[in-house]
Amino acid sequence: EPEVTQTPSHQVTQMGQEVILRCVPISNHLYFYWYRQILGQKVEFLVSFYNNEISEKSEIFDDQFSVERPDGSNFTLKIRSTKLEDSAMYFCAGRTSGGTDTQYFGPGTRLTVL
Amino acid sequence: AQSVTQPDIHITVSEGASLELRCNYSYGATPYLFWYVQSPGQGLQLLLKYFSGDTLVQGIKGFEAEFKRSQSSFNLRKPSVHWSDAAEYFCAVGAYSGGGADGLTFGKGTHLIIQP
Repeated sequence: EPEVTQTPSHQVTQMGQEVILRCVPISNHLYFYWYRQILGQKVEFLVSFYNNEISEKSEIFDDQFSVERPDGSNFTLKIRSTKLEDSAMYFCAGRTSGGTDTQYFGPGTRLTVL
Repeated sequence: AQSVTQPDIHITVSEGASLELRCNYSYGATPYLFWYVQSPGQGLQLLLKYFSGDTLVQGIKGFEAEFKRSQSSFNLRKPSVHWSDAAEYFCAVGAYSGGGADGLTFGKGTHLIIQP
């Protein structure tokens, strides 16, 4: 069964550095999402992406964040200048169609900002 | 805006006993409700979902959940738990507009511990 994959599984970076988190969705997915989970807290929606543009974003998704799907397969989340509070687990998700279709999640990337 | 409350942070159940995990939601219209499970080091796996129709929905691994509109609840149940059910369980609500790209709102999760 195809799965959503994410790389790296764990990334450690210094405050102020740029990081790029990568996701490979299932091939027939058209809608893509990023969520984050700060340790001990709930999973929070960051952004949704469809037809090569952002569909919806939360208040968390400020100008430090950007997403793109540069080559039609990878879906990336970039944090331009990381802060300590960006330390979290970041999950990518995708789904085939809109409406009530299920979102399938990847295993996550643990980002640690020092 | 929608919200989800999972009132139990931790639940301990003996292996073979029944299980109920509570979930309450707040949403102005008909919600789309989900239960996901997260094992250590793993992603979020969908257990079951409710969109419409029969308010008792069956999922994978022997789980079921019942949507009760009057109580704004979507509690997850299993008649007999197995040690492998130990995990973090998340309830989520979706609000689907015409575009269909809306994100999910999650509860804080319930950590399930299974005693031998």
